[in-house]
Amino acid sequence: GAVVSQHPSRVICKSGTSVKIECRSLDFQATTMFWYRQFPKQSLMLMATSNEGSKATYEQGVEKDKFLINHASLTLSTLTVTSAHPEDSSFYICSAPPSGILSYNEQFFGPGTRLTVL
Amino acid sequence: LAKTTQPISMDSYEGQEVNITCSHNNIATNDYITWYQQFPSQGPRFIIQGYKTKVTNEVASLFIPADRKSSTLSLPRVSLSDTAVYYCPRGGANNLFFGTGTRLTVIP
Repeated sequence: GAVVSQHPSRVICKSGTSVKIECRSLDFQATTMFWYRQFPKQSLMLMATSNEGSKATYEQGVEKDKFLINHASLTLSTLTVTSAHPEDSSFYICSAPPSGILSYNEQFFGPGTRLTVL
Repeated sequence: LAKTTQPISMDSYEGQEVNITCSHNNIATNDYITWYQQFPSQGPRFIIQGYKTKVTNEVASLFIPADRKSSTLSLPRVSLSDTAVYYCPRGGANNLFFGTGTRLTVIP
């Protein structure tokens, strides 16, 4: 099946710094990718929709200036957490529905990135 | 729109069949029903999808009644490795909105 990778798998940073997380579709193209955040013992929360060649669409309550999303190519989306604070510590997961594959709802998820802000 | 609802947790012994039901009260006409499995510190993994009636693959079956307001994921003969959280998110081909999920614990 289709594979989505994320890099890094885990990162620890100091408060106030910025962290970039990459999401790549390895064997398929994705015009759209999604970013989720998951706190311990909680469900996934959709943060934003990343659109190749255009601006991302953010869910209500998600600060677009804090969580910068760039979808520069059909296989890469990046999420940058700017001026990170301890409350941003979470598990960030991306997903992509493969373009052109006849699986109406199926999305492929990355392995996640564990962010810890000290 | 309300997210889907499902039991918070379930326990089952190894070798038993497990059925997890999800309520899709606000499902859109064009939405398929999908189920995902998630292990700790991993991204969700697609299990099965369907539109109506019954779908079966190598790992599970999915039962969807005619009104499509619910669905039941059936896992035959579970093993310890099936211990995970199971989600039936709301949404279509694009956005998926996850509810609480069902934490399945398989007991030896």
